[in-house]
Formats: sequence, C-alpha cells, structure tokens
Amino acid sequence: SQQGEEDPQALSIQEGENATMNCSYKTSINNLQWYRQNSGRGLVHLILIRSNEREKHSGRLRVTLDTSKKSSSLLITASRAADTASYFCASGRSNFGNEKLTFGTGTRLTIIP
Amino acid sequence: DTEVTQTPKHLVMGMTNKKSLKCEQHMGHRAMYWYKQKAKKPPELMFVYSYEKLSINESVPSRFSPECPNSSLLNLHLHALQPEDSALYLCASSQDRRGLRLYNEQFFGPGTRLTVL
Repeated sequence: SQQGEEDPQALSIQEGENATMNCSYKTSINNLQWYRQNSGRGLVHLILIRSNEREKHSGRLRVTLDTSKKSSSLLITASRAADTASYFCASGRSNFGNEKLTFGTGTRLTIIP
Repeated sequence: DTEVTQTPKHLVMGMTNKKSLKCEQHMGHRAMYWYKQKAKKPPELMFVYSYEKLSINESVPSRFSPECPNSSLLNLHLHALQPEDSALYLCASSQDRRGLRLYNEQFFGPGTRLTVL
C-alpha cells in the first residue's frame, strides 16, 4: 500500500486548545495537502504546501513539511467545536499534469465544548 | 459556482443490477476524479480524467466503467457489483495546468453512498 500514515488516529481536546496531527508519506512528492471530512461527507481542502516550502499558515492553520523525513504536521490553534471532523493528509505527485493524491489514514479530531 | 454535485446521494442495488453515478461541476475544471472510500478509511483513487480523456485507471475492476461525456460531467457505470463494493463514492475536480507544474486543490462532491445487496 502507498498510503501514508497519520497519528494520532484519534484526538480529543478541550475547546480552545491547540490540536496537532502528524503525517508520514512514502514516496517523493510535489506537494502535500490537508483535507477535512465531516462525518460521511465530501472532503474540504484546507491547505497545500509545495515540496520546496517548509511552513505555511492559513488563518488558524499551520502546516510544516520535512521532505527529508517524509513527514508533515497540521496545527489547528484555538480549536472550536466546529473543527470536529476527520483530517487527512494527501501527498501529491504530478502525473502528466494531473495531481495524483494518495491519502493518509486520517486523524479523527473531537473538540469537547 | 464552486460546487461539485453528485447524484444520487444514496443507492441500493442488487448484484445483477446496472446503475450509474453522476457527477457535475461548473468551475471550468478539466480534471475530474472518482474515489472510493470505505468506512473509517481514507479515499482511494479509482480514475482520473483529463480533458475528457481517461488518464489514470488504478487497476479498477471492469465492473466499474467511467465515462466523461463533456468537461462538466463525469459518470460511473456500475454492473454486476459485489457486496464488498459497498462504499462512499466521491467525485472531485481540479484545474489541470498541464506542463505548468502548478499544483491544485481538489474540490469534492458530497458523495454517493452505495450499498450492494
């Protein structure tokens, strides 16, 4: 399997705390993306970091990428109940101009009000 | 319009039935994707269409037959499925910047939950 691994598999924190999720991938990549999925629904894109970038911010999100370790982390600051969802990293490799995404195993995040 | 729509939302079919899943987007995206997602698992890529041509088939069984009639529509034709094919089927689209090495997010539809009896 080419799937990446994410840890933790599940995370429960109090509202207002920060949540950190880690992702490891197996092959060389062009970019690393993070998606959120609410229960049984479609995925929503959160942030994309290119292979030549080390850190990126978007609102309450901070993503880091370490290509030497084939790993990435997603930090959500000041968590809210609405952040409760599953979070997936996806390693992107260009295939004749198309993005072939390989998703990690996911982290189920629960924010306790 | 930044939405990907999928119909139907739910589908129950027998192993001898023929059915189709439909996906539509009006964002001008030229790359469209089918993913399969089992419960509590990540999405797995099935097919990629680029400019209405099949560019990636991830060794999907022939009982799944994709079709891209035009740049806005993507179908997945189902025939003689097995119970283990029960899953959430997700469609996605993205811009295709072939040759320009621009990497793009994918926009996902809400999915079709398929149950094969």
